[in-house]
Amino acid sequence: IAGITQAPTSQILAAGRRMTLRCTQDMRHNAMYWYRQDLGLGLRLIHYSNTAGTTGKGEVPDGYSVSRANTDDFPLTLASAVPSQTSVYFCASSYGTSGYEQYFGPGTRLTVT
Amino acid sequence: GQNIDQPTEMTATEGAIVQINCTYQTSGFNGLFWYQQHAGEAPTFLSYNVLDGLEEKGRFSSFLSRSKGYSYLLLKELQMKDSASYLCAVMDSNYQLIWGAGTKLIIKP
Repeated sequence: IAGITQAPTSQILAAGRRMTLRCTQDMRHNAMYWYRQDLGLGLRLIHYSNTAGTTGKGEVPDGYSVSRANTDDFPLTLASAVPSQTSVYFCASSYGTSGYEQYFGPGTRLTVT
Repeated sequence: GQNIDQPTEMTATEGAIVQINCTYQTSGFNGLFWYQQHAGEAPTFLSYNVLDGLEEKGRFSSFLSRSKGYSYLLLKELQMKDSASYLCAVMDSNYQLIWGAGTKLIIKP
């Protein structure tokens, strides 16, 4: 793989179900991020990780959790999905946190019914 | 609160020049980014400004005035493939990006 990948590409999920969105990068980037993008709103940061083993909360963390066991992987888990979590989810990574561009994965389109 | 403002939609003609403005109010400033996002795709990096002035990169230029909380993205010699949304984002004091809602640019032949 080259760059940053996400899985699945899209998913329809029943409310109350648990779901993990996967994100993997092979650029050896230190920082990784999860965003959601909703129509008419800017990208909103859910969680981030500045380096392997550490994570932090972004603007909209409620209902989501993350882990960063190694440099490459940064999964996002919805413990009990609700319809308001219907969105497009983007994972991104950057070499560092200050002044470095973020590279985005192709996104996961999630619909919670 | 933190706020990034940019026009919702703009229309321009192929071959022309267009300027997309962005104003911001954030807690701290560690640089301003512009990204391009085609419909159904991921954002891709265009430019980064941390000091006042103009940065030129081929057909695209980006300007920053920190004292005015203002930036613009200038696209020259517009091509049909430039039809996309353009996202302005500011890195705040916590080194987190605060994003505008994006400007949808429509190019007409």
